[in-house]
Amino acid sequence: GAGVSQSPSNKVTEKGKDVELRCDPISGHTALYWYRQRLGQGLEFLIYFQGNSAPDKSGLPSDRFSAERTGESVSTLTIQRTQQEDSAVYLCASRAAFPYEQYFGPGTRLTVT
Amino acid sequence: AQKVTQAQTEISVVEKEDVTLDCVYETRDTTYYLFWYKQPPSGELVFLIRRNSFDEQNEISGRYSWNFQKSTSSFNFTITASQVVDSAVYFCALSGYGGSQGNLIFGKGTKLSVKP
Repeated sequence: GAGVSQSPSNKVTEKGKDVELRCDPISGHTALYWYRQRLGQGLEFLIYFQGNSAPDKSGLPSDRFSAERTGESVSTLTIQRTQQEDSAVYLCASRAAFPYEQYFGPGTRLTVT
Repeated sequence: AQKVTQAQTEISVVEKEDVTLDCVYETRDTTYYLFWYKQPPSGELVFLIRRNSFDEQNEISGRYSWNFQKSTSSFNFTITASQVVDSAVYFCALSGYGGSQGNLIFGKGTKLSVKP
């Protein structure tokens, strides 16, 4: 079946602009995660949605970052007033109620100039 | 606090050699999951294995094997008879247990280069 999809695959933006990244999870997956991967680094957790529960926003690095998810479908990650340190690959993952592994999308490479 | 350490930043081997990637974790949870993911040059993370904390049986899948030792908080990954296609960054990760497991805590990854 279809995997996790993300759009756009690449985004170049000027410092100070807002960007919106989209994630389409695997159909039926109740949990959705956003991670950030800086060049040559591991993955940093950003935010986690589980069903209708309040999202876990504990990984968001600043109040310029926000995310929404409608039900168990699409999620959008918004970065306001982008800074050069926001340049990274933003990865989305989704997970079913069982089994418990997360499946990742191809990521959005964000470059802030 | 939860933490995953992959002490080997980069490993280079020649094809057909065996290679072991180390992973050491820290957690206060009594039940948890451990994972390995592969990130080839294309960039997409590929799930390899999930291990429950209460199941210490080693697992083998083809040329891949995993050794989980709770006593030493380690979950090492061995590739037997490595191939060029195994070249990738490999991440070890830890999460809570069950349906509300929360996010994955990743190690910094080990870059494996397999040369022909």
